[in-house]
Amino acid sequence: ETGVTQSPTHLIKTRGQQVTLRCSSQSGHNTVSWYQQALGQGPQFIFQYYREEKNGRGNFPPRFSGLQFPNYSSELNVNALELDDSALYLCASSAGLADLNEQFFGPGTRLTVL
Amino acid sequence: LAKTTQPISMDSYEGQEVNITCSHNNIATNDYITWYQQFPSQGPRFIIQGYKTKVTNEVASLFIPADRKSSTLSLPRVSLSDTAVYYCLVGESYGRDTPLVFGKGTRLSVIA
Repeated sequence: ETGVTQSPTHLIKTRGQQVTLRCSSQSGHNTVSWYQQALGQGPQFIFQYYREEKNGRGNFPPRFSGLQFPNYSSELNVNALELDDSALYLCASSAGLADLNEQFFGPGTRLTVL
Repeated sequence: LAKTTQPISMDSYEGQEVNITCSHNNIATNDYITWYQQFPSQGPRFIIQGYKTKVTNEVASLFIPADRKSSTLSLPRVSLSDTAVYYCLVGESYGRDTPLVFGKGTRLSVIA
């Protein structure tokens, strides 16, 4: 059974640029959630997708967007990057809405904005 | 969503039992208590979840008093590899728009 994978591992961008982060969910999982984790903080919820539809959104501006594909993999897009967007971006998958509290996290993508 | 409060950091020697207490005074009837563990440069990992009384698995035990306003994660005989940040989360186990809400967690340092 393959776990949650994310790409790329690390990324360096400059202010104003756009970035796309990718996540492959664990086999059999149809729900994907994205989190942003700043240094020294706990992960903060960005949004969640369930069977290709957005299922909830945290307190992030519209320049954070995403989508989920038919194979349940997902992308997180961030436009007009700001310095404060530097963080570890985590993707988590789960087997469905009934298992929202047991999510399986990937290793994350470390984004640095210069 | 119920807010949680837990110590910022704890130190322990190898082989000791570690108890991390989390306060959640505003826990709702439908809320479960869940603990995650996070190692540096890794995503959080589910440890244990409970609703009331006591839950035990191969990794930890979770003690929840009758009023459910607090909970204690117990790690038996910790080793250096248990050094990590431990997060206490409170929320419904089922339902839409109920994301995991992480606080700052408790940074556990295990010393040889």
